[in-house]
Amino acid sequence: GAGVSQTPSNKVTEKGKYVELRCDPISGHTALYWYRQSLGQGPEFLIYFQGTGAADDSGLPNDRFFAVRPEGSVSTLKIQRTERGDSAVYLCASSLKGWRGGQETQYFGPGTRLLVL
Amino acid sequence: QQQVKQSPQSLIVQKGGISIINCAYENTAFDYFPWYQQFPGKGPALLIAIRPDVSEKKEGRFTISFNKSAKQFSLHIMDSQPGDSATYFCAASSDSWGKFQFGAGTQVVVTP
Repeated sequence: GAGVSQTPSNKVTEKGKYVELRCDPISGHTALYWYRQSLGQGPEFLIYFQGTGAADDSGLPNDRFFAVRPEGSVSTLKIQRTERGDSAVYLCASSLKGWRGGQETQYFGPGTRLLVL
Repeated sequence: QQQVKQSPQSLIVQKGGISIINCAYENTAFDYFPWYQQFPGKGPALLIAIRPDVSEKKEGRFTISFNKSAKQFSLHIMDSQPGDSATYFCAASSDSWGKFQFGAGTQVVVTP
């Protein structure tokens, strides 16, 4: 595909359940970012991957949130023991080189809308 | 702690008019300032970006004005069109930091 894709597009779960959100970045992009966007707010940084490693996870709100990118392409954001406050749109973005390439355009996917009941 | 403050929260402009959105930042280490456009149900898309070594950048109907001393920058949309109706986010980052700090967004409605 030409752009960043995210699945599922919508996810409804119950409080306390575990969810996984998937991101497929643009082919060849080494940098991948996860953001969270609450209603009426701008995206909030969660974690940044350079290749397979998490270069910066300072935005993860607590230890219920975890993300992986085992082969340097697809990434999965995992949320354990979901809470109603986790309800938001989770956005994924990718860029060609990441920080080593200076400031680059980040290409965003359409997001996954998570609703925790 | 909101490092980038954006205003107004929303604005309505007539077709052909000028839309102006303002942002202010605190961190003097920021050196890259993009604007993103987001349509409902879509992810943000880069519109235009500026670095602090210039005071203005223009691309088509979109212009960024940058005031380094005041730590402010703004987006001007000239000859606004109904297709420009969207939410606009300013952002800031630095080469040594990478991650973007986004403003809260401005919902722009262009009436026919």
